[in-house]
Amino acid sequence: GAGVSQSPRYKVAKRGQDVALRCDPISGHVSLFWYQQALGQGPEFLTYFQNEAQLDKSGLPSDRFFAERPEGSVSTLKIQRTQQEDSAVYLCASSLVALLGGGFYEQYFGPGTRLTVT
Amino acid sequence: AQKITQTQPGMFVQEKEAVTLDCTYDTSDPSYGLFWYKQPSSGEMIFLIYQGSYDQQNATEGRYSLNFQKARKSANLVISASQLGDSAMYFCAMRGTSGTYKYIFGTGTRLKVLA
Repeated sequence: GAGVSQSPRYKVAKRGQDVALRCDPISGHVSLFWYQQALGQGPEFLTYFQNEAQLDKSGLPSDRFFAERPEGSVSTLKIQRTQQEDSAVYLCASSLVALLGGGFYEQYFGPGTRLTVT
Repeated sequence: AQKITQTQPGMFVQEKEAVTLDCTYDTSDPSYGLFWYKQPSSGEMIFLIYQGSYDQQNATEGRYSLNFQKARKSANLVISASQLGDSAMYFCAMRGTSGTYKYIFGTGTRLKVLA
């Protein structure tokens, strides 16, 4: 079956431009995560959706970052007025069930979007 | 605050031998989960193994096992019978259960399997 897909795979933006990164989770998956992975680092949590509700956006680095999932499936991460420090790989992951308390919830990751801000 | 520490930036192992990748963690949550992921050069993160903090036995999944030492706050990944395809970045991650949705990842260990 289809996995998590992300588009575009690569994006080059001039400093100050706005960008939109798309994530198509696995069909029926309730949970969706966005991560930012800088070169040579591990992924850093940005935000979490349960269906269309954004339950945690504590990892968004500034108010230039905005994420939405209006119909509880496809999600878009928007970065306004991009800066060079925004250059990173942006990973999306989805999980079948809602994230509640303890227990094991396998995340399925997409291939990522590599954003380069020049 | 939660933290994952991976102190080995890079490791080499001979094909067919076993290798241990270190991971220590810090959390004040009484309940948490520990995960290992593999990230090949293609970039996609692949789930390998999970250990719950209250699990009595160490987790195993095929050639992967997790050496969980709760008192030492360590969750080392053991890969047995290494294969060339195991060459990749490996990340240890954790999620607490006290009202957080965050997964915290370490900085990773790059493993190179030698023929």
